[in-house]
Amino acid sequence: GIQVEQSPPDLILQEGANSTLRCNFSDSVNNLQWFHQNPWGQLINLFYIPSGTKQNGRLSATTVATERYSLLYISSSQTTDSGVYFCAVTNTGGFKTIFGAGTRLFVKA
Amino acid sequence: GAVVSQHPSWVICKSGTSVKIECRSLDFQATTMFWYRQFPKQSLMLMATSNEGSKATYEQGVEKDKFLINHASLTLSTLTVTSAHPEDSSFYICSARPQTSGGSYTQYFGPGTRLTVL
Repeated sequence: GIQVEQSPPDLILQEGANSTLRCNFSDSVNNLQWFHQNPWGQLINLFYIPSGTKQNGRLSATTVATERYSLLYISSSQTTDSGVYFCAVTNTGGFKTIFGAGTRLFVKA
Repeated sequence: GAVVSQHPSWVICKSGTSVKIECRSLDFQATTMFWYRQFPKQSLMLMATSNEGSKATYEQGVEKDKFLINHASLTLSTLTVTSAHPEDSSFYICSARPQTSGGSYTQYFGPGTRLTVL
């Protein structure tokens, strides 16, 4: 089946710093989503981005489908950005969505 | 829009009992719903995919007789953990894909249900 790899697994930032999270996937996909899981477990949808670039405030994402990777950029990080960031891809045909292992982010004040 | 709810949000039960978790799409119809399980500090693992009116498709290694899934309507799917044991303790998350997604495969996730089996 399709493989999803995220890097780095853990990241510690000082408040105000920028960061880039990466998601590599092993096969063609119909969809790619980035999520932030808050401390209570709720998955917050950040981007639906099967290709191209999107921006939402301090966050932006780029997916290069032909090269099978996506990047999530966090600028001017805040302590509330802490949590786990997941990349999830939907295989061709749309039958299942597979999650990467996540990047655990901690932003220090 | 695109809200998915789960009930209960947390449950504690004794070993050997059965627990039912409900997943509802509140403001859209979902032809397909998904059930995931997440152990502490791990990722979400897909358990099964359910389509309204048909049998669920289980992932390899997931016992279909233990995790009963019913997708009776376009807005409701249930997961029943039968004869629960402590190793079934986990965070269970459902998601739903809108019926009219216009070619999009976006999924919307519920808030999760934390199950603790004593």
